[in-house]
Amino acid sequence: AQTVTQSQPEMSVQEAETVTLSCTYDTSESDYYLFWYKQPPSRQMILVIRQEAYKQQNATENRFSVNFQKAAKSFSLKISDSQLGDAAMYFCAYCDGGSNYKLTFGKGTLLTVNP
Amino acid sequence: GAVVSQHPSRVICKSGTSVKIECRSLDFQATTMFWYRQFPKQSLMLMATSNEGSKATYEQGVEKDKFLINHASLTLSTLTVTSAHPEDSSFYICSATLGLANEQFFGPGTRLTVL
Repeated sequence: AQTVTQSQPEMSVQEAETVTLSCTYDTSESDYYLFWYKQPPSRQMILVIRQEAYKQQNATENRFSVNFQKAAKSFSLKISDSQLGDAAMYFCAYCDGGSNYKLTFGKGTLLTVNP
Repeated sequence: GAVVSQHPSRVICKSGTSVKIECRSLDFQATTMFWYRQFPKQSLMLMATSNEGSKATYEQGVEKDKFLINHASLTLSTLTVTSAHPEDSSFYICSATLGLANEQFFGPGTRLTVL
């Protein structure tokens, strides 16, 4: 079974600074997707960024970028120019590339942004 | 686009009663819907996968008779918690997928409190 590990239960960053959240995963599949979801205090799950395993180029979305290391099975999230609104729980998630569509989530990292 | 709604957002019920939670994809037809449960400060735990017109597939350890799932159409899935007990109190989240890039779109969640 696939597993997703987030080794940082909590992280903090100063406003305008950069922070990196770690995620590792375990799979025997070659075709899969990786996601970072944000869950603010409202508890609405929001997709931050997505990476297809077959793509070598790291995904970026404005201030958010990933470092995808397929061989190392690592998928870290970098948040640049951190803003107060970035404070939330961040979940790393894995999904097989077939038609299963099931997500496996990590335990999450609680990010605090200090003004 | 890709909006998922849940109703109700909060519900309080007495022990022994049944509660129904609705999950709707508002602007798309969902190939598959999912139901999750989330305890405070924890990750999302997948309860079941639901496809229109077929029986739901439950994860190991989830009681089928306790958590009834009906997927009546491509835009509506319902979760009924039968004979609710205080230990069923939790935050329930649904999601839906278009089947594109395996992305799931999440509803805002329902907080269930059983007295």
